[in-house]
Amino acid sequence: GQNIDQPTEMTATEGAIVQINCTYQTSGFNGLFWYQQHAGEAPTFLSYNVLDGLEEKGRFSSFLSRSKGYSYLLLKELQMKDSASYLCAVRDQTGANNLFFGTGTRLTVIP
Amino acid sequence: DVKVTQSSRYLVKRTGEKVFLECVQDMDHENMFWYRQDPGLGLRLIYFSYDVKMKEKGDIPEGYSVSREKKERFSLILESASTNQTSMYLCASRQDVGSPLHFGNGTRLTVT
Repeated sequence: GQNIDQPTEMTATEGAIVQINCTYQTSGFNGLFWYQQHAGEAPTFLSYNVLDGLEEKGRFSSFLSRSKGYSYLLLKELQMKDSASYLCAVRDQTGANNLFFGTGTRLTVIP
Repeated sequence: DVKVTQSSRYLVKRTGEKVFLECVQDMDHENMFWYRQDPGLGLRLIYFSYDVKMKEKGDIPEGYSVSREKKERFSLILESASTNQTSMYLCASRQDVGSPLHFGNGTRLTVT
């Protein structure tokens, strides 16, 4: 089975940096995805890590440590439009390579 | 851009009704998925399909069935809707196991 854990809610200030953590336990880890979901909208793909290390994509970066079962999403220069839920999802080889999602972290950016 | 279209944004059905949720993708993707999303539970996989006519159960298939007669279309069927199936239903597709999921805008189903 899979167990994915991330904080329920976070608040950060416009212009600041925020780190959203995700820990996971899975028997057939084969990659980790981050998605952004604005209220009432579909999740949209942000980043993907399969090897250890940092992947940078503009203001967003994602880090993975497979030995620790740990990932984080780093958002820099926060903007009000970054207020959304951030979903951590693990791809599991033993689960037909499907994605299994955490419950999401609701980020609120305040002025 | 990949487009995944769900036929209804909001649906209200009565207990015991048969409900069809339709999903169409326009990028010739092989894999298609149905999730439901509930507060505090996240996205949970109901059914998935890796090819036409093929279907596999996800984590919570009870009370649901699916149909994939054409590559671009994946339908979720609630044979006899119950109030505990009130939820947001999200369809997704991807080209292959190495690709990210692309989601539709969701169907918010209320069963009364």
